[in-house]
Formats: sequence, structure tokens, C-alpha cells
Amino acid sequence: AQSVTQLDSQVPVFEEAPVELRCNYSSSVSVYLFWYVQYPNQGLQLLLKYLSGSTLVKGINGFEAEFNKSQTSFHLRKPSVHISDTAEYFCAVSAGGSNYKLTFGKGTLLTVNP
Amino acid sequence: ETGVTQSPTHLIKTRGQQVTLRCSSQSGHNTVSWYQQALGQGPQFIFQYYREEENGRGNFPPRFSGLQFPNYSSELNVNALELDDSALYLCASSLVGLGPGELFFGEGSRLTVL
Repeated sequence: AQSVTQLDSQVPVFEEAPVELRCNYSSSVSVYLFWYVQYPNQGLQLLLKYLSGSTLVKGINGFEAEFNKSQTSFHLRKPSVHISDTAEYFCAVSAGGSNYKLTFGKGTLLTVNP
Repeated sequence: ETGVTQSPTHLIKTRGQQVTLRCSSQSGHNTVSWYQQALGQGPQFIFQYYREEENGRGNFPPRFSGLQFPNYSSELNVNALELDDSALYLCASSLVGLGPGELFFGEGSRLTVL
């Protein structure tokens, strides 16, 4: 079985500061990894994903994440955040090779303050 | 191109009742997944439908059931409601061949069980 741990439930930052949202996973097999974002009163939106190949993946809105197999981590980063990045961010892992059955972490609320 | 729409957006039921939640998939999509998101938690996979058949199920009891129709719309039915069923129910559609994790989520139906 797979599991995902998001180490911070809330991350407050100031506008234009860098941010890192941490995610660790556990799995006995190869996994696919994802970050989704949920803006207030909206559905989840895929931010980026790691399937294979380069361990640094770039997503929408200037976000990127690095897959580290030895540390079983998939941390999300952005060098300079905007007020509009305020949202809940979810790390997820595919379960058993399924394309659609995802196991999500509990989420990290990113709050960007002026 | 219309996105994933869900109805109703909010509803209140009492323990023991039954509820039906509806989802209209994004145009052209042929798979649908349902997730339960309890307050403060990440989404949990309930089941997935493809070609009108259940194609994967999470750790949910049989009183959670679903349907997918020829037009790819979908229903989630929950019988004998319990207090712990209070949650946001998310529908996500996709298209076979899009690749892992390419889920398009609706805004959800928030169910409160009293």
C-alpha cells in the first residue's frame, strides 16, 4: 500500500518570497507522483507530475518539484510566490500502477501575505 | 468545452437516509472517479467507472455505489447514511490515454449528515 505525508499543514509566507512544500511518500513499488492545487471554492487542478526520467519537473504557474528516490520525497518549490498562489496544495501518489486511483496527502495550506 | 459539473453543491441529510450525487464529465472524457474529502483531510478514492462498469474500488463499504451512463455522466449513491459520511464528494473525469493523474475535478458536493 502507498501513503503520503505532507509535513506541514500550513505554510505562511510573504509575497515574492520563495516557498517549499514538503511531501514524503512510502511505497513498495515504483510510483507516479503528483501535486494538485485547490483554490478556494474550486475543484482540484493538476499542477505537475513525475512519471519517469528527469527528476526535476516543471509545472504550471512557475512551480517545480524534485523527485528524490533515496529520500522518498517530492517537494514542491516556487522561487517567488504571489498573492494568487494562496491555496491548498495536495501531494498524491498513484496506487498499484493505476492511472486514476490516487492516494492523497492531507494537504498544505499556503497563505501568501502582502 | 465545459468542465466537470456536480450537483447538488450542498445538501443536508439525516442519519439512515439515502443520497444521490450527480456528476457531468468534461466533454470527451470516458472515465469517472469519485473521491471523499473529509474536513481537514485529503481526498480518498471511492471508485472509478469506465464503460459503465466499476473498474477499481477503494476501502469503502458496499453501501457506496455508483453508476456511469452512456453519455458518461455519473452518480454516486450512499445508503444508510452515517455521521462520518459528512464530507465533500469530488467527481473527477478523464480520458483513457491522457496519462496517469490527468484528472479533471469538479467543485464537489458538500454533504452534511445530522
